[in-house]
Amino acid sequence: DTEVTQTPKHLVMGMTNKKSLKCEQHMGHRAMYWYKQKAKKPPELMFVYSYEKLSINESVPSRFSPECPNSSLLNLHLHALQPEDSALYLCASSQDTSGGALSGELFFGEGSRLTVL
Amino acid sequence: AQTVTQSQPEMSVQEAETVTLSCTYDTSESDYYLFWYKQPPSRQMILVIRQEAYKQQNATENRFSVNFQKAAKSFSLKISDSQLGDAAMYFCAQPNFGNEKLTFGTGTRLTIIP
Repeated sequence: DTEVTQTPKHLVMGMTNKKSLKCEQHMGHRAMYWYKQKAKKPPELMFVYSYEKLSINESVPSRFSPECPNSSLLNLHLHALQPEDSALYLCASSQDTSGGALSGELFFGEGSRLTVL
Repeated sequence: AQTVTQSQPEMSVQEAETVTLSCTYDTSESDYYLFWYKQPPSRQMILVIRQEAYKQQNATENRFSVNFQKAAKSFSLKISDSQLGDAAMYFCAQPNFGNEKLTFGTGTRLTIIP
């Protein structure tokens, strides 16, 4: 099983809504990531969890709140988003990054396409 | 800060022909990795090929190969015998030293002409 599964695939929400994006992997990977991708742009890193602890927060606004309940699950809680937050949100995972440098493959999910009205 | 540059926003190639996508990078490290990722329309991003900087030999994966020029900090991707399924955005990427961050280039959109 080499899949990263993201739900929902599409989400439309108002600026006052609270919603969550979910990501699951069963490859035994100990690093999990959230990326934001705008159309025709590269993915932008938002958060990294390593061994279920938040290791990187790329100065993301607090209206995005990550959570890693266990080694297989990663959530992104959304609240009071702005229209400019509309994007494709990608989850990824990788083997542990011993030594700190990412040397192995990132496995990506298909993404959750978010539209904020 | 590390930078990864892809100077070709769009490329097209005739089916069965060969195409080369360019990438340059900047790092002060002597040992590092470089990646090419492929993102087909509405499908997940996948790793195409990986190069370790200390290895002299260029990496090859079936129809995909790289031309790694360490001194020039150049890392181009060659796709031979192009197929319709190769149509995608291609991102060159380099890990940051010391953390789990991956720096992506701006991407090249590859179109395959039947």
